[in-house]
Amino acid sequence: DTEVTQTPKHLVMGMTNKKSLKCEQHMGHRAMYWYKQKAKKPPELMFVYSYEKLSINESVPSRFSPECPNSSLLNLHLHALQPEDSALYLCASSQPARIRPHEQFFGPGTRLTVL
Amino acid sequence: QQQVKQSPQSLIVQKGGISIINCAYENTAFDYFPWYQQFPGKGPALLIAIRPDVSEKKEGRFTISFNKSAKQFSLHIMDSQPGDSATYFCAARGNYGGATNKLIFGTGTLLAVQP
Repeated sequence: DTEVTQTPKHLVMGMTNKKSLKCEQHMGHRAMYWYKQKAKKPPELMFVYSYEKLSINESVPSRFSPECPNSSLLNLHLHALQPEDSALYLCASSQPARIRPHEQFFGPGTRLTVL
Repeated sequence: QQQVKQSPQSLIVQKGGISIINCAYENTAFDYFPWYQQFPGKGPALLIAIRPDVSEKKEGRFTISFNKSAKQFSLHIMDSQPGDSATYFCAARGNYGGATNKLIFGTGTLLAVQP
């Protein structure tokens, strides 16, 4: 099973709302990722968790707050977003860096629209 | 140094033809090169991947050719089908001292296979 699941599929929120995106994998991976993807662009890395610890934050604004409650779950908490934050948010998982294989599997994404 | 250059930006191929997408990189520390296929509104799906100690890898109709000395790699889709119409991203894994699996993505190629 190489499935990464994400909920919700679509989310519309106002600039004052607080919402959360959820991601789950059951492949035994110990690295999980959040990406942001704008139309016709490649995925842009936001955060990396390795062994449930935040290992990379790509200078993401604090209105995005990641959380890794356990090795299978990854959340992205959203607060006071801007319309330019509207995008497809992708979760991915893989083995950690020193463990092969290096394949990184993506979920279907959450389409976020900020009004 | 951290870029992966991808070409062409878009490609139109007749059904049954060969689709070729090219990528080039500068950083010789990259150690894993995957290709992803993405349909509209979906997450990227891992298609095929190669390591720099291998010159070619074939899986079904998909082949990666890798030229380590030229720092170039390419995806060949044989007998292209309308169902192959999608955006294709090449990527490279950065070896940040073994700290994490950070993928550097190319800019993407929109492939249209005409029936």
